[in-house]
Amino acid sequence: AQRVTQPEKLLSVFKGAPVELKCNYSYSGSPELFWYVQYSRQRLQLLLRHISRESIKGFTADLNKGETSFHLKKPFAQEEDSAMYYCALFNQAGTALIFGKGTTLSVSS
Amino acid sequence: DGGITQSPKYLFRKEGQNVTLSCEQNLNHDAMYWYRQDPGQGLRLIYYSQIVNDFQKGDIAEGYSVSREKKESFPLTVTSAQKNPTAFYLCASSIAAGRAGELFFGEGSRLTVL
Repeated sequence: AQRVTQPEKLLSVFKGAPVELKCNYSYSGSPELFWYVQYSRQRLQLLLRHISRESIKGFTADLNKGETSFHLKKPFAQEEDSAMYYCALFNQAGTALIFGKGTTLSVSS
Repeated sequence: DGGITQSPKYLFRKEGQNVTLSCEQNLNHDAMYWYRQDPGQGLRLIYYSQIVNDFQKGDIAEGYSVSREKKESFPLTVTSAQKNPTAFYLCASSIAAGRAGELFFGEGSRLTVL
């Protein structure tokens, strides 16, 4: 069965500290994975996708098929990174996204 | 102003009543989606539509119904059969179903059943 697991409900870090938001998945075949972000009072929006291998707002995520993980990382957290982060996976048919339960990132000074 | 518009933002309903949430997009996207967002549950897929006059059930379709008569519109009806309808509902669209990775979301509708 296809599934996305985000084990942390809340992650609190200090400004300037490294951040790693965990995401594990269950999928048959080659998955397509994404990270979405929802800032306070803003719409949910795409942050990055594994297929493009890009860095957005200093965040990166590497697909590790051996560990079935797609963790989101940033070397130095900023207060404006505080938000809800969702990991998502294409369903087997490739027609819709399956989301994890989300992790709230809180960055304080 | 391009994007996805959901209405109403807030809605109250008595038990036993059906209610319809509106979702309109002017992005010329083929695919549209309805998700339900509950605290601690993340987003769960209710229904999606890849093309006009066609739609598929998601993971939690029971108690909900949809229609897709126009490309730009994908209304969701929460029926009295939905056992726990109080939630935040999100509508989204993507260019095409096969490129569902980049979803554009509306601001959401919060439904409260009294």
